Amino acid sequence: SAVISQKPSRDICQRGTSLTIQCQVDSQVTMMFWYRQQPGQSLTLIATANQGSEATYESGFVIDKFPISRPNLTFSTLTVSNMSPEDSSIYLCSVLGLASYNEQFFGPGTRLTVL
Amino acid sequence: LAKTTQPISMDSYEGQEVNITCSHNNIATNDYITWYQQFPSQGPRFIIQGYKTKVTNEVASLFIPADRKSSTLSLPRVSLSDTAVYYCLVGPMDTGRRALTFGSGTRLQVQP
Repeated sequence: SAVISQKPSRDICQRGTSLTIQCQVDSQVTMMFWYRQQPGQSLTLIATANQGSEATYESGFVIDKFPISRPNLTFSTLTVSNMSPEDSSIYLCSVLGLASYNEQFFGPGTRLTVL
Repeated sequence: LAKTTQPISMDSYEGQEVNITCSHNNIATNDYITWYQQFPSQGPRFIIQGYKTKVTNEVASLFIPADRKSSTLSLPRVSLSDTAVYYCLVGPMDTGRRALTFGSGTRLQVQP
């Protein structure tokens, strides 16, 4: 298993500002994922972050809006840029388990509210 | 990836058995069925996974009929702490190492 922590756990931000969310894993992992979960909704994959390469973004998400860093095998950041109220969501970091494709571990999430 | 359909919500009472059924008519031969549980203010966590017939662990049982076009997650004697959203996912166990795709899930509310 993997233990994942995220900072901050929650934040309230003003429109037009940016917030950087940190994700720390207790073991080295190749692939990390960032998801968004809007209020009352399911999880939507934003991007896949591999160490040593550019992040791969899903349809509807762009690097200018959600820049991602992956400086090493245990850490990643997601920045939500030029925020609007529509960006109010929970942002979750996730990693794959070693045992099988279908087991992913998730961080506790960062609850973002944009005013 | 196979599309899944599950009830939006379910209600139960403490001590009852809860069965949540997921339909996946287009499941592929190499697809596995996996269930995740998400408590409020937490990320999802793996519950159980299976390919066919029945799988049981300390948390739940998973029943998969021979045609594999549906599956049922069974939670025995639920408690208030089982109130959560339950997601059914279908996908291959391959080396592609792709991220999971989540459907809408079933919101289970357990009453005292």
